[in-house]
Amino acid sequence: KQEVTQIPAALSVPEGENLVLNCSFTDSAIYNLQWFRQDPGKGLTSLLLIQSSQREQTSGRLNASLDKSSGRSTLYIAASQPGDSATYLCAVRLEAGGTSYGKLTFGQGTILTVHP
Amino acid sequence: EAGVTQSPTHLIKTRGQQATLRCSPISGHTSVYWYQQALGLGLQFLLWYDEGEERNRGNFPPRFSGRQFPNYSSELNVNALELEDSALYLCASRARGAGTTFFGQGTRLTVV
Repeated sequence: KQEVTQIPAALSVPEGENLVLNCSFTDSAIYNLQWFRQDPGKGLTSLLLIQSSQREQTSGRLNASLDKSSGRSTLYIAASQPGDSATYLCAVRLEAGGTSYGKLTFGQGTILTVHP
Repeated sequence: EAGVTQSPTHLIKTRGQQATLRCSPISGHTSVYWYQQALGLGLQFLLWYDEGEERNRGNFPPRFSGRQFPNYSSELNVNALELEDSALYLCASRARGAGTTFFGQGTRLTVV
């Protein structure tokens, strides 16, 4: 059974800091990994998708890396802003087959607070 | 291009009643997913529909059911509502073969 863990559970930083969010997964036979952002009471916004054959993806101030063999991904946020405050979730989709087929398995999220 | 749309935004039901939640995927997307996010808990996978068929189901009782229509829209039905069914229900869609899964804004179901 795929398990996804995110560390830290919560993070509070001053504006302007660079920060790293961590995600680990137990089954390395993943199809892809996706990072999301969720504002309180809202839906999920997709930030970055990394296919299993890729090592990293970048979008603006965000950079996500993937080390499939060690079961780890990191989300790097550069020059953090108060508007970045949200819960960040990583999710993995396994390769075909088994009870986890097709679905995304989520971590518990990292609650990020960026204060002015 | 419209994103994933869910209706209603909020729904209040009494214990024992039935609730119906609706989802319209992004145009061209054939897969629809349903997730439950109860307060303080993570996202729990409920159902996956693709091309009108149920492809996978999470560890939920049979009173959680759904279907996907020929236009790929979907509805989630929850029968015999219990207080612990109160949660944010999220729908997501994905195109065939594509990687990115897109989520709607959710339906907040409150059971009183």
